[in-house]
Amino acid sequence: ETGVTQTPRHLVMGMTNKKSLKCEQHLGHNAMYWYKQSAKKPLELMFVYNFKEQTENNSVPSRFSPECPNSSHLFLHLHTLQPEDSALYLCASSQEVGSGNTIYFGEGSWLTVV
Amino acid sequence: GDSVTQMEGPVTLSEEAFLTINCTYTATGYPSLFWYVQYPGEGLQLLLKATKADDKGSNKGFEATYRKETTSFHLEKGSVQVSDSAVYFCALRSRSGNTGKLIFGQGTTLQVKP
Repeated sequence: ETGVTQTPRHLVMGMTNKKSLKCEQHLGHNAMYWYKQSAKKPLELMFVYNFKEQTENNSVPSRFSPECPNSSHLFLHLHTLQPEDSALYLCASSQEVGSGNTIYFGEGSWLTVV
Repeated sequence: GDSVTQMEGPVTLSEEAFLTINCTYTATGYPSLFWYVQYPGEGLQLLLKATKADDKGSNKGFEATYRKETTSFHLEKGSVQVSDSAVYFCALRSRSGNTGKLIFGQGTTLQVKP
């Protein structure tokens, strides 16, 4: 058990669908993150939330919409995605934002857009 | 900007061989450095970390030393096992800006054969 739980683990969706990825952390952390891992590309930071407030949006297209209702939960709402958005989406958390805080990752949600 | 460069893979070794995966970085100031491991079909797990120069991180027989003079954080293990087969990511977190951004290398795939 990693302390960061993601659901669903696998998702197939059409380009016109609306779906959401969910992340929950049981570590008492205050910062949460979404990362994207595509084939043959380095992991890309998408969003950072610190104490429920978004502190970074790494130029992510608006078809990805994050939501952080509290420090333990983070969602990624998906709408009208493209096939190139197919990837592993990793949620992560840390005690706070800051270089001295270790980031812990969930197991990821495999997304396939058809 | 900050960046991490890892040796190209895949690295293929026989069981009990010595492992080195090279990692060098470019950053302003003194970042924290990390090695993450990703086993097939899973998310990222923190393997080890070092937060200041000359620190040595170690875990599960793996070691890496933060070398400021050569801006390196090479991963080593004296005797690899088949179960070590995975993708290894070197990463840094900069102390400037405090955005919490983890910058990853491209990953190095390790294959250990019996």
